[in-house]
Amino acid sequence: DTGVSQNPRHKITKRGQNVTFRCDPISEHNRLYWYRQTLGQGPEFLTYFQNEAQLEKSRLLSDRFSAERPKGSFSTLEIQRTEQGDSAMYLCAGGQGTGTDTQYFGPGTRLTVL
Amino acid sequence: QKEVEQDPGPLSVPEGAIVSLNCTYSNSAFQYFMWYRQYSRKGPELLMYTYSSGNKEDGRFTAQVDKSSKYISLFIRDSQPSDSATYLCAMSTNSGGSNYKLTFGKGTLLTVNP
Repeated sequence: DTGVSQNPRHKITKRGQNVTFRCDPISEHNRLYWYRQTLGQGPEFLTYFQNEAQLEKSRLLSDRFSAERPKGSFSTLEIQRTEQGDSAMYLCAGGQGTGTDTQYFGPGTRLTVL
Repeated sequence: QKEVEQDPGPLSVPEGAIVSLNCTYSNSAFQYFMWYRQYSRKGPELLMYTYSSGNKEDGRFTAQVDKSSKYISLFIRDSQPSDSATYLCAMSTNSGGSNYKLTFGKGTLLTVNP
């Protein structure tokens, strides 16, 4: 158990609806990453936080996606106006930023857009 | 050409076999190399982390990095049915900032048959 939790674990929604996912890393994780994984593929980087600052966003993160990490603790990832192509596993990873930054993943949120 | 190439398999071996998993990469800036294990519908679990070229051993697992050939390997000795999972290679580089975002291979699906 990495100590990183994600909720909900599964989300089924209809196209056009908004969804929000939450990630709770352990307190030592000052770095937090979001990745997206589709079937048969490895995870792809979406965005990165150091403490509360969002320092990098992938071009995969369209305008419909927004992420926050208030107070540098938990993080949320919101998708507005969901599309069927958003169906994927959304993974959160925490890191302690000790030079090499080993990342520990949560169990993921599986999103299905109907 | 993708930055990280990994044969997706599937790979099926008998219990007790030695398993060899490999990845190649094209970005010479990659400095840190990891292997993750992912069970179906779960988050990736860190198995091995290496920085320099050479071998690193941890129990039944050995990770090899050859930076000159841009090639990394994971060996599993005395494979067990519980090793059946998808194995993901991942790499990162410190581009001068604090973001150690991971670039993953597609993953290799391994089945160890009792």
